[in-house]
This record gives sequence, structure tokens and C-alpha cells, in this order.
Amino acid sequence: DTAVSQTPKYLVTQMGNDKSIKCEQNLGHDTMYWYKQDSKKFLKIMFSYNNKELIINETVPNRFSPKSPDKAHLNLHINSLELGDSAVYFCASSFGTPNTGELFFGEGSRLTVL
Amino acid sequence: GENVEQHPSTLSVQEGDSAVIKCTYSDSASNYFPWYKQELGKRPQLIIDIRSNVGEKKDQRIAVTLNKTAKHFSLHITETQPEDSAVYFCAALKGPYGNNRLAFGKGNQVVVIP
Repeated sequence: DTAVSQTPKYLVTQMGNDKSIKCEQNLGHDTMYWYKQDSKKFLKIMFSYNNKELIINETVPNRFSPKSPDKAHLNLHINSLELGDSAVYFCASSFGTPNTGELFFGEGSRLTVL
Repeated sequence: GENVEQHPSTLSVQEGDSAVIKCTYSDSASNYFPWYKQELGKRPQLIIDIRSNVGEKKDQRIAVTLNKTAKHFSLHITETQPEDSAVYFCAALKGPYGNNRLAFGKGNQVVVIP
């Protein structure tokens, strides 16, 4: 009964390719997020959606495009992958804003760009 | 935006000793301060949080203290055990506003030596 599930868990691909990571939560939360964790463990927010609406869009290259078909799903599509995109990408969800309840993270998707 | 600094970056303690990690924040309007623990290869998980109307909060062997005047908050782990070895992230948020970002620190690696 995974609360926040991401697929795939591991992704190895060549520079220039396009890839997607999917995320689903079964907690009934209304807010979902994508975070990027680089090799130095720094957790940086990329996007946040509340009830399918984009509410946070950090300074992320427009090669990254999130999509929320409903409030239980938030997918991340990345075009023209670059070496610097290699990282662990975490999906997370919460009720409302992060200070109204715990951020539940998925297990992460490790992306390696060769 | 909010800037959160954590120190020390790495902390080694003998099993049974106490560990203290300190975080400083920049925005005096921040009012919510969670701590997340990330074990190796796992997802970050909330372990304790504190709001600005409280000076201290305890949960078994962990406690968090907040000094609003000095704009810093600390995580205290007593009677450390090997399973406490992990990266600990502090964070700060002002809100509740839907587009507010939970600003994470860069993480502290805690190593408990058996």
C-alpha cells in the first residue's frame, strides 16, 4: 500500500533523449510536488500543483514539463536530456501547503544521463 | 526568498551520546520548521516539526528547539543508536500561502559509531 509511488525507480538514458517519470499518490492529498536531489544531497523544489493547478514553478529549464491529469497524479516529462539532469527526482504530496501537514515523499527515481 | 543554513555538514557521534544539529533561517516571517530524515537510498521522512508559537517540542529521543530572536532552530537526538545514522534536513516556511516554498537546508550527515 505505497502512499506515493513513482515509476521508474531507475532510468539510464543517453543525452538528447526524452523521458518521463510518473507519480501517483493514494493519500487523498490535494497538493503534489517534484523535487530534485543532486549528488550533494541538496533537495530543491521544481514544481508544485494544487488540485491540478500549477502553483509553484521554480527556475527550471523549459525542457522540464510537469503534467497533472488529476489531483492523484503528477508526471514529469524531460526533453533533450543533458548530463546535468542526472539526479534523484522525488515526487511528494501533502494536504494544502507544506505547513498544514507532512510532506510524503515517494521512493525517488534515479536518473542517469550518459 | 527564505535561506536556510545547516551546520555542521557532517557529525560523528559515539552510540549513546547526544547529537545536535543547528539551522539558521533568514526570513523572520517564517513560522513553520520541520525536520526530515533521509536514510541511505531512501526517501526523506518527517521526524518532528515546530511552529513559531512554540519554543520546544519533544518526541521520545528527539527534540527541536526554536529561538525566533536569533532565527535558529536545533534538532537534538539523545541516546543515539546506529539507526539514527542518516542525512537530516531542516526546512523553513512562511505561510500559509499556497505558493510558498518549503526551503530545505543542505542536509547534515549524522554517523553513529557503534
